Amino acid sequence: AQSVTQLGSHVSVSEGALVLLRCNYSSSVPPYLFWYVQYPNQGLQLLLKYTSAATLVKGINGFEAEFKKSETSFHLTKPSAHMSDAAEYFCAVITNAGGTSYGKLTFGQGTILTVHP
Amino acid sequence: GAVVSQHPSRVICKSGTSVKIECRSLDFQATTMFWYRQFPKQSLMLMATSNEGSKATYEQGVEKDKFLINHASLTLSTLTVTSAHPEDSSFYICSAIPRAYYNEQFFGPGTRLTVL
Repeated sequence: AQSVTQLGSHVSVSEGALVLLRCNYSSSVPPYLFWYVQYPNQGLQLLLKYTSAATLVKGINGFEAEFKKSETSFHLTKPSAHMSDAAEYFCAVITNAGGTSYGKLTFGQGTILTVHP
Repeated sequence: GAVVSQHPSRVICKSGTSVKIECRSLDFQATTMFWYRQFPKQSLMLMATSNEGSKATYEQGVEKDKFLINHASLTLSTLTVTSAHPEDSSFYICSAIPRAYYNEQFFGPGTRLTVL
């Protein structure tokens, strides 16, 4: 069974500073990995996804993530934080094993990002 | 493209009543839809997988007789919370997979259910 661990339930940065949100996964087969963002009382918006192509994935709003198999990590970064980045971020994994795991996402606990002026 | 809507966005009901939440894929056909539940300050928990034309598959611990799911067409799935109680108050989110995107889900905006 797959699982996702997000280190740090809250991350606080200053506007213009580097954003680093950590995600580690556990999967017995090559995973598909996702980062989603959720604003208050809204659904989830896909930031980026890794699907076994390039290990460095670029997403929307200047975010990117690097898949590191040796570290079982998929950390999300952004060079310069904006106030509008304040939201909750979820890392998620799909195990591409087919069958009953088809399309089923397992989410991490979420990380709330706060951006200070 | 790949827009998913939910209706209603918010609902308040009395304990013991039933509430229906609709999930629609607006510009694509979805053979599979998912229903999630999110409690305050928590992550999303998958409740069930809904496949068009067949019975939903519920996750362990989810009462299928309480949370009725009907996937009547390729663009509509409904979740009915029967005999709702205050502990059912939560944020319910659906997602859908377009035919050509078997590894990516598109999420609806969510429905906030409050049971008094």
